Amino acid sequence: DIQMTQSPSSLSASVGDRVTITCRASQSISSYLNWYQQKPGKPPKLLIYAASSLQSGVPSGFSGSGSGTDFTLTISSLQPEDFATYYCQQSYTTPWTFGQGTKVEIK
Amino acid sequence: EVQLVESGGGLVKPGGSLRLSCAVSGFTFRNGWMSWVRQAPGKGLEWVGRIKSKTDGGTTDYAAPVKGRFTISRDDSKNTLYLQMNSLKTEDTAVYYCVTEGGNAYYMFFDYWGQGTLVTVSS
Repeated sequence: DIQMTQSPSSLSASVGDRVTITCRASQSISSYLNWYQQKPGKPPKLLIYAASSLQSGVPSGFSGSGSGTDFTLTISSLQPEDFATYYCQQSYTTPWTFGQGTKVEIK
Repeated sequence: EVQLVESGGGLVKPGGSLRLSCAVSGFTFRNGWMSWVRQAPGKGLEWVGRIKSKTDGGTTDYAAPVKGRFTISRDDSKNTLYLQMNSLKTEDTAVYYCVTEGGNAYYMFFDYWGQGTLVTVSS
């Protein structure tokens, strides 16, 4: 199985900060990488697919990059509604696997 | 608007069985590939398994921890997805989400999610 490792596991940031979350795959997955946002008590929401494609309706402040084994989710200017947990997920091969999550908290 | 509504969760004893259902609307269900994803309390996301559309063979794939115990099926006439869970273990305790596998021939992603149903396995 492909292991997905996110860092950091949590971070504290202020409104307006630029935030970067990284995700590393245990083997090359080309650009088969998705990012999700989850708020407490809610299901996850797709933000980015194919490493860098913004899902329809997602604010342009979110962006993704990377290929191979190393990927990045960037929030250019953190908004109050962006405080949540973020997960990466590889779509290269089943079993589909997720990173352990990165919780973005208010500083 | 795509809606996925799970039902059937609850409290069950270890070794017991439970069947979850997911009613789908606003989406051409018969053409869709569907997955179940679970989340243990306070933990991350774990893919459980998926079923392809009948047009694409209707085959299933499962994660190792549930293979041989869980079965995914679908009734396209009722726009409903099922998850039959047998020989349940305490570590199966989680919120179970019904999810659509969107994308195209090259990229897959989970685009629509239900609200989830809680399964608690405890004596």
